[in-house]
Amino acid sequence: EAQVTQNPRYLITVTGKKLTVTCSQNMNHEYMSWYRQDPGLGLRQIYYSMNVEVTDKGDVPEGYKVSRKEKRNFPLILESPSPNQTSLYFCASRSGGAGETQYFGPGTRLLVL
Amino acid sequence: QKEVEQNSGPLSVPEGAIASLNCTYSDRGSQSFFWYRQYSGKSPELIMSIYSNGDKEDGRFTAQLNKASQYVSLLIRDSQPSDSATYLCAVLNTGGFKTIFGAGTRLFVKA
Repeated sequence: EAQVTQNPRYLITVTGKKLTVTCSQNMNHEYMSWYRQDPGLGLRQIYYSMNVEVTDKGDVPEGYKVSRKEKRNFPLILESPSPNQTSLYFCASRSGGAGETQYFGPGTRLLVL
Repeated sequence: QKEVEQNSGPLSVPEGAIASLNCTYSDRGSQSFFWYRQYSGKSPELIMSIYSNGDKEDGRFTAQLNKASQYVSLLIRDSQPSDSATYLCAVLNTGGFKTIFGAGTRLFVKA
């Protein structure tokens, strides 16, 4: 079954405490992305990756880091979280090419106090 | 101007009617267009993709694309209460790497 998994699903943390949200896909897709979703703003792309060791900034990269050391994994790192990073985060995996599909993970709800 | 614009709604239609959702985009070089459905508290789910001008039908869904007008729409025929969700329009940018989403249109189908 095609799947994108994220962990944790829910996280409450405090300002400045480093955290990592993991993302893994089982479809051998080259393209992966991280989005945040906020009320009234929709989904905004944070970072994307075109392949292993190839990443680039999306529209809202400030305060986030990513890495792509393996094709299946694309973790999102918040080095020093702040309250304005409280949001719902989605990881996504995209097949690319003709008839492409994009699958989203179940989401991670983050609260930064 | 936002890169992808949608009417936020809510759009309310009676059961069995046609729901029409619209989207405009600003990047003239975009070639790939998508509609996602998102139920409350869930992740987006791809329901339609369209790449060429004209109509594309899949079951009760029809996507329409007009690149000259930079306009994409989604028609849902015989709307059901289970279609009540937020519908997100998404456009792949000219380079083919970044996906830009609209803020979404909330649809309510009344039984």
